[in-house]
Amino acid sequence: LAKTTQPISMDSYEGQEVNITCSHNNIATNDYITWYQQFPSQGPRFIIQGYKTKVTNEVASLFIPADRKSSTLSLPRVSLSDTAVYYCLVARSSNTGKLIFGQGTTLQVKP
Amino acid sequence: DAGVIQSPRHEVTEMGQEVTLRCKPISGHNSLFWYRQTMMRGLELLIYFNNNVPIDDSGMPEDRFSAKMPNASFSTLKIQPSEPRDSAVYFCASSLTPGQLTYEQYFGPGTRLTVT
Repeated sequence: LAKTTQPISMDSYEGQEVNITCSHNNIATNDYITWYQQFPSQGPRFIIQGYKTKVTNEVASLFIPADRKSSTLSLPRVSLSDTAVYYCLVARSSNTGKLIFGQGTTLQVKP
Repeated sequence: DAGVIQSPRHEVTEMGQEVTLRCKPISGHNSLFWYRQTMMRGLELLIYFNNNVPIDDSGMPEDRFSAKMPNASFSTLKIQPSEPRDSAVYFCASSLTPGQLTYEQYFGPGTRLTVT
């Protein structure tokens, strides 16, 4: 599975838009990009997944350029409750759903 | 749905003792995953099952660890004998095999294991 690289930590303020970029240079044709969120003392929670271009749901947007070597998770107007660790993962359709979690990005939202 | 259920939520045991962690996946899900999380190593996949069959156990640290899934609604992760370095939070997750190409895994609340 393609290795992912993302910033270790980010700070933001309430009400701001937060963009977390992840690089996955060795992504394969049948790989999907997926993002998870983890709050302290909880298990990770699925946020969004995509293959190319843009995907949006009620929580976030995911932007994937044409070469798919990177992706950006966008969180609109964050609040204190968005403070969490965000994981970028590459998943392969042939792997029966297996996911490999990296170090993630710790997002701290300040008042 | 109650979500993924794990028991116990906390376990404190002495080195050398046997520890059994339990997981009940979401009804209808056919894939089950066991993870371990520590500050040093992050979130590691230990083993996963598809349709009750172990598919990949390459993440199991050593022979002291074993996992079973006797039926679609129950799985156990056993550590025998336990060691202090096994102290971690153990998560169980379940999902539908990505026949519809979704990688959404549902995680349980975790079991915090402390081995003294």
